[in-house]
Amino acid sequence: GAGVSQSPSNKVTEKGKDVELRCDPISGHTALYWYRQSLGQGLEFLIYFQGNSAPDKSGLPSDRFSAERTGGSVSTLTIQRTQQEDSAVYLCASTTGGGGDTEAFFGQGTRLTVV
Amino acid sequence: QQQVKQSPQSLIVQKGGISIINCAYENTAFDYFPWYQQFPGKGPALLIAIRPDVSEKKEGRFTISFNKSAKQFSLHIMDSQPGDSATYFCAARWGGKLIFGQGTELSVKP
Repeated sequence: GAGVSQSPSNKVTEKGKDVELRCDPISGHTALYWYRQSLGQGLEFLIYFQGNSAPDKSGLPSDRFSAERTGGSVSTLTIQRTQQEDSAVYLCASTTGGGGDTEAFFGQGTRLTVV
Repeated sequence: QQQVKQSPQSLIVQKGGISIINCAYENTAFDYFPWYQQFPGKGPALLIAIRPDVSEKKEGRFTISFNKSAKQFSLHIMDSQPGDSATYFCAARWGGKLIFGQGTELSVKP
């Protein structure tokens, strides 16, 4: 596709339920990031995938959060046993990777509301 | 320290004025410093970026000033326009990992 695609665009879930958020990066982009943006807050780093390397999971806030990237392309962020504080916009970005001046292209995000 | 500290949190500027947003970092391993602009309901988009071996970069009305010794960098928006009203994020990259500041909500009044 032309850009980074995220689905769903909006998700309302009940507290305690599991949710899966999907990210389709730009074709050929080897690096993929997940961020969380709470209301009025900055972009909180969650996880970073680069090629076939082990992902940098240092930003995941708890063991309820996990992410995978299949075939070096599509990524899924899973939140188990959702809590109200998980309500936020979850943003995915991809880049060509490498050490150059690579631009991160963002999707429009998934707005998650836990009720 | 992998944090990037950004200030101010919000900024109101008159049309035609200069908007200045500041960021500071601790990790000297950061090798790339981009600024992103985000409009409501949209994902952030790259505005301008700089490497630490350059002290200043200008693109149109947007300028990054970089002070390596002070570990600070700033975004200057000259002749600010109402269309510049958005949230601005500074960022820094280390080992491919991109860390963002807390964001500055800019409002340019006509």
